[in-house]
Amino acid sequence: AQSVAQPEDQVNVAEGNPLTVKCTYSVSGNPYLFWYVQYPNRGLQFLLKYITGDNLVKGSYGFEAEFNKSQTSFHLKKPSALVSDSALYFCAVRDAKAGNMLTFGGGTRLMVKP
Amino acid sequence: EPEVTQTPSHQVTQMGQEVILRCVPISNHLYFYWYRQILGQKVEFLVSFYNNEISEKSEIFDDQFSVERPDGSNFTLKIRSTKLEDSAMYFCASSADRGEYNEQFFGPGTRLTVL
Repeated sequence: AQSVAQPEDQVNVAEGNPLTVKCTYSVSGNPYLFWYVQYPNRGLQFLLKYITGDNLVKGSYGFEAEFNKSQTSFHLKKPSALVSDSALYFCAVRDAKAGNMLTFGGGTRLMVKP
Repeated sequence: EPEVTQTPSHQVTQMGQEVILRCVPISNHLYFYWYRQILGQKVEFLVSFYNNEISEKSEIFDDQFSVERPDGSNFTLKIRSTKLEDSAMYFCASSADRGEYNEQFFGPGTRLTVL
């Protein structure tokens, strides 16, 4: 079975400061990891993914995430937060050997204050 | 930029009624999915569909649920006899390929309210 944990329901950060949204996962095989963002009344928008290769992956809107196999983590980061980054962020995992279904974390609400 | 679209945005129905939720996936995509999110809970996988048949389904996807691709563009989720606990946001998604490099693109969701 595969699972994802996002330990923080909400993250508050001041505009211009770096942000981190945490994610840990559990899969039996190799993980494919994804971050999605959801703005109000919108669907889940793909931000970035880790499949293989470089542990640091870069995505849309200046976001990046670091895959850490030993800690089974895939934290989302951005060097300088914008107010417009305020949204709900979801981490998701897919087991490379277990089909195409995504398993999502519970989501973390990011609040960036001016 | 191509998008997944879903209709209606909000559906209200009486318990026991049938509902059909509609989705138009991105045009060159081959894999289609339904997920749901009960208020305050995680996004949960329901079913995936490829080549006109179900390729995976979760325990949630019981005999009350069915999916269909009635034509070359639409992908539907039918709930035959709705229950109160079916109230949720239903998301449709599509991906270009099942391969390891795919990502799933999601629609804006249909909020289903069962009274």
